[in-house]
Amino acid sequence: AQTVTQSQPEMSVQEAETVTLSCTYDTSESDYYLFWYKQPPSRQMILVIRQEAYKQQNATENRFSVNFQKAAKSFSLKISDSQLGDAAMYFCAFSNTGTASKLTFGTGTRLQVTL
Amino acid sequence: SAVISQKPSRDICQRGTSLTIQCQVDSQVTMMFWYRQQPGQSLTLIATANQGSEATYESGFVIDKFPISRPNLTFSTLTVSNMSPEDSSIYLCSVARTDFTDTQYFGPGTRLTVL
Repeated sequence: AQTVTQSQPEMSVQEAETVTLSCTYDTSESDYYLFWYKQPPSRQMILVIRQEAYKQQNATENRFSVNFQKAAKSFSLKISDSQLGDAAMYFCAFSNTGTASKLTFGTGTRLQVTL
Repeated sequence: SAVISQKPSRDICQRGTSLTIQCQVDSQVTMMFWYRQQPGQSLTLIATANQGSEATYESGFVIDKFPISRPNLTFSTLTVSNMSPEDSSIYLCSVARTDFTDTQYFGPGTRLTVL
């Protein structure tokens, strides 16, 4: 079974600064997908970024980028130019390829953004 | 991404009663899922809602407790039966589109409190 580990329960960053959230996972599969989701207090789960394991190039979405290290099974999220609206719980998630698309989530990292 | 709605957004129920949560999406989707998020916890998959057939439940979840229906490609319901305070959670539905089955998009969630 796959597992996803987020070792940072809480992180804090100053506005306009950069922060990196860590995620490691364990799988015996060679092809899979990794995701970062954001959950603000409104509780809506919002997709932040997605990475296909077969792609060596790290995914980027505006201020959000990942550092995907397949051999190390590491998938960290970098948030640049942090904004107050980035404050939320961030969940790392894994899914196998195929039609099931079941998501396995990490325990989450609460990000605080300070002035 | 799809537009997903859930009803109700929140409810307070008495133990021993049942609550049905609805999930509606604005376009046809291949996969629909139901997750539970207990207070301060991550998301756990309850089941995959299959159109026209019985749902596929994850370990620890049974049909008698969480009956699920999916009569068509845009609608599903989850019933939480014979509720106890331990069922107090956020329940979220998610969907994966026909043309992009590896990425799930989430509804806004239903916050359930059982007294």
